[in-house]
Amino acid sequence: DTGVSQDPRHKITKRGQNVTFRCDPISEHNRLYWYRQTLGQGPEFLTYFQNEAQLEKSRLLSDRFSAERPKGSFSTLEIQRTEQGDSAMYLCASSPPSTGNTEAFFGQGTRLTVV
Amino acid sequence: SQQGEEDPQALSIQEGENATMNCSYKTSINNLQWYRQNSGRGLVHLILIRSNEREKHSGRLRVTLDTSKKSSSLLITASRAADTASYFCATERRDSGYALNFGKGTSLLVTP
Repeated sequence: DTGVSQDPRHKITKRGQNVTFRCDPISEHNRLYWYRQTLGQGPEFLTYFQNEAQLEKSRLLSDRFSAERPKGSFSTLEIQRTEQGDSAMYLCASSPPSTGNTEAFFGQGTRLTVV
Repeated sequence: SQQGEEDPQALSIQEGENATMNCSYKTSINNLQWYRQNSGRGLVHLILIRSNEREKHSGRLRVTLDTSKKSSSLLITASRAADTASYFCATERRDSGYALNFGKGTSLLVTP
């Protein structure tokens, strides 16, 4: 399967713990995005990478959140000192380099539950 | 903030019927996209319509775009139980590498 892969699929953590999620995009895609989705809502943009450069961060991304894409391939999203409000589905998507093709390919998501 | 608003929020139909979902957005766009999400899963791209296009077809899907009204519609013809999912319209954020602004979605239930 050469689609976008996210790990883990589910994560339950206690409030105050740190968690890290991983996303492996489609190999030739240089653009990578993180979104957060809560129940009954559409996905909300968190951050965007072009290759290894983080070019845009949403105001939703508080200082407890950090994302990296060290070699322009896989990406990680870390949440420090988790809060119950962080419970959500975290979605990763990637897109190819052609500016004419803006279709996003999504992974299956990581569902985070903070207890 | 969410750019689009889908209408209705929920739709229940029987197999074989057509389903129409509407989307309104706030700012000018380059492209508008529609995505489908099965329960608890990732999103799947359905169709992209450019701002200079008025209508586009893909299989049983028909999308229209009215930039003067800032609205789009998605029609699924001859629906099947497998079409049961949430459907989202999305516009592109020009300042974020074409990241997407999604609406809240329409939840479609197709019963046999």
